[in-house]
Amino acid sequence: GENVEQHPSTLSVQEGDSAVIKCTYSDSASNYFPWYKQELGKRPQLIIDIRSNVGEKKDQRIAVTLNKTAKHFSLHITETQPEDSAVYFCAAKDYGQNFVFGPGTRLSVLP
Amino acid sequence: NAGVTQTPKFRILKIGQSMTLQCTQDMNHNYMYWYRQDPGMGLKLIYYSVGAGITDKGEVPNGYNVSRSTTEDFPLRLELAAPSQTSVYFCASGSRELFFGEGSRLTVL
Repeated sequence: GENVEQHPSTLSVQEGDSAVIKCTYSDSASNYFPWYKQELGKRPQLIIDIRSNVGEKKDQRIAVTLNKTAKHFSLHITETQPEDSAVYFCAAKDYGQNFVFGPGTRLSVLP
Repeated sequence: NAGVTQTPKFRILKIGQSMTLQCTQDMNHNYMYWYRQDPGMGLKLIYYSVGAGITDKGEVPNGYNVSRSTTEDFPLRLELAAPSQTSVYFCASGSRELFFGEGSRLTVL
């Protein structure tokens, strides 16, 4: 089955700097890659996603890139703000319609 | 439109007790999922359903059971609770974007 790895597990950046989180997946049949943000004590919420026929997608300060050949995808957050502090999860949707999540990255944006 | 609703939000169980976590969605989604999230960890799939009457095991199904008699409801049953089942449980629905419930924090003592 699908396996998703995510790095780093924790990330601290200064406010205004950029943050990059990387994920790799194992199943070449996976075709949908969402990113979820989970604030402390809250439910995960979708922030951006990308399909396998697209290499990059951007939404304001957030972007995701996908390299299907290498089977990895990355989340880029520019001009980070304190409210970006949260745990971020990547996921891959496999052929069986299941979402397999990475272990998460705890991002801290320092003022 | 309430989305995904889970109850209860908090529960303490004694070892060996049983309980059911309720989940209902009003978005007419065929796909529904139960995940558990241990402290500081990611989301592990317990069971999922692709439609009423159809359920299947995920990555960590032992100690749990589910049923899906309607499109809206997908309850998770814990039989003979064990301390290892202490976790936060999330129900989710959707086939592209996953919509999560608020979570149910379960402690087994």
